[in-house]
Formats: sequence, C-alpha cells, structure tokens
Amino acid sequence: KNQVEQSPQSLIILEGKNCTLQCNYTVSPFSNLRWYKQDTGRGPVSLTIMTFSENTKSNGRYTATLDADTKQSSLHITASQLSDSASYICVVTNTGGGNKLTFGTGTQLKVEL
Amino acid sequence: KAGVTQTPRYLIKTRGQQVTLSCSPISGHRSVSWYQQTPGQGLQFLFEYFSETQRNKGNFPGRFSGRQFSNSRSEMNVSTLELGDSALYLCASSPTTGPPQETQYFGPGTRLLVL
Repeated sequence: KNQVEQSPQSLIILEGKNCTLQCNYTVSPFSNLRWYKQDTGRGPVSLTIMTFSENTKSNGRYTATLDADTKQSSLHITASQLSDSASYICVVTNTGGGNKLTFGTGTQLKVEL
Repeated sequence: KAGVTQTPRYLIKTRGQQVTLSCSPISGHRSVSWYQQTPGQGLQFLFEYFSETQRNKGNFPGRFSGRQFSNSRSEMNVSTLELGDSALYLCASSPTTGPPQETQYFGPGTRLLVL
C-alpha cells in the first residue's frame, strides 16, 4: 500500500532557528516528491519538486533532500521566520495507474518569538 | 495571471442535502484535480479532469462526482451529505495531466460544514 509518513506531527521553534522535517514513503513506482506549505485557511503552495535523480533542491531558505534508496526526504528550513508557521505537506507521485498522488498528513510548524 | 478560484468559500448544509462546488483553474490550465482535506485524514485525492474527461479517480463513494466544462472550469457535487463530509475541499490546476514533474496550483478551498 502506498503510504507517506511525516514526522514530527508538530514542532515549535524560536524565530531565527533552523529545523528539519522528515518524510518517509513507500510509494512505488516512484515518480516525484513534492513539499507544500499550507497556511491556515489557505490552499497548499508548492515549495519544491524532486524527481528520482535529484537529491537536493533549494527554494530560498527551504532546502529539500531526497534519498531514493532509503525512500526518505527532508525539508530543512534555515533562519526561521514567523511567517514560516504553517503545515508542511510531503506528497509523492507514483507512475502506476495515471500519476496518483499520495499525501502525508503534514507537520504543523509554529515559529515563536 | 489570476490564481485558482473556488466558490463558495464557506458553506453550511444539513445531512441528506446535496452540494455543488465550483473551481476555475488558472487561465490556460486544462487539468483540474479535487481533494478533500480533514484534520484526521489529511489531503485525499477525489478525482482529476482533463479536457472534460475524468482521467483519475480516488477511493470515494459514488456520492462524490464531478465534471469539467469546455472552458476547463470544474464542478464537484456531493449528494446525500453525511456528517463525515465536513471538510475543506481543494481544487488544483496544472497545464496538462502530465508529465509528473508539473506543479499543481491549489485554490483557497471551500470549507463545507454538514450539520
């Protein structure tokens, strides 16, 4: 069964600190992995998308890594800001049966002063 | 370019009623996907439409249906509403139904509350 598990479920950090969110998946056959940021009451916004051959991709203060062998990904946030407070969702696409997406349940991040 | 728009933003219905949600994709995008988001289950895929045809379908009962018009606008219908249908319904658009590397752009969602 295709599954995406994210950890931790929630996280509180102080402004300016770094943090790393984890995503483990069992989706097969793998096509790509995306990280989304979802602010409360709004739709998700894409941060990064990585295919099998990519093992790191950055978008400003966000850096995603992918280890296709261990089926793990991480999202590292550098110098966190209050506006980083949101839910971060890992999504894995498989190529079987028409590009089906499997979503993680997200990590709720809160950045405090 | 205007983003994905969804109407209405909020909706309250009672059990047994039916509801229709609307989604207008980004101009030029032909693929529209619908998702249900609940606190316990996270985001779950409902279905995808491309060029007025349903291309993919998730594991939801037949009470959930959709359609796409020639201008790529899409509607989703839920009949015989149940309390468990209370959720945020998100619509996402992308230029085509593939390649897989394409990013989906999400709308703000319609929050449905079933009483």
